[in-house]
Amino acid sequence: NAGVTQTPKFRILKIGQSMTLQCTQDMNHNYMYWYRQDPGMGLKLIYYSVGAGITDKGEVPNGYNVSRSTTEDFPLRLELAAPSQTSVYFCASRPQGENQPQHFGDGTRLSIL
Amino acid sequence: ILNVEQSPQSLHVQEGDSTNFTCSFPSSNFYALHWYRWETAKSPEALFVMTLNGDEKKKGQISATLNTKEGYSYLYIKGSQPEDSATYLCAFNSGYSTLTFGKGTMLLVSP
Repeated sequence: NAGVTQTPKFRILKIGQSMTLQCTQDMNHNYMYWYRQDPGMGLKLIYYSVGAGITDKGEVPNGYNVSRSTTEDFPLRLELAAPSQTSVYFCASRPQGENQPQHFGDGTRLSIL
Repeated sequence: ILNVEQSPQSLHVQEGDSTNFTCSFPSSNFYALHWYRWETAKSPEALFVMTLNGDEKKKGQISATLNTKEGYSYLYIKGSQPEDSATYLCAFNSGYSTLTFGKGTMLLVSP
């Protein structure tokens, strides 16, 4: 049971480039989340999904896009990378039920130069 | 934007010391309060999910209490060990599918 898998683990981008951060989970969880973690700022929610075909904005969605075509996958897209998007990105999932804890991937460290 | 505050920001104790941290959250629209343990270079792992006022949960030497009326939760570690060194996050759930995280308390336990 792999849990939540994020790829890549590290990436350096140039300003203006685009890329997709991949997230997949094998626990059949309906709910999936993307967070960014900046020093001293805690985890900020970018986008989330309550099921395949449904996505919603979180607290800091600008500059990002997501899709949820399957239960397993929840990719995060950066269209025009900016230095402000340098961060560590975490994907998480949880099963149905508001009292369920979230399960996190190992993160993707992204630097934009 | 919901305000979830954690204190202290960081803490350095000696092995064997007992310690506690605080998480403050809105006392209205409460659904659940989560605690996570986040070791360096790893991902956050769930410790507790607390839902009832007065709730107390325990896992080994770590325990947590909840006061929803006044909007706070305490996390206690009895007899800290170096392997307890981590950042401890709390997160507030108002029942709308998402969590609002505090900035965490970074604990360092020296041998």
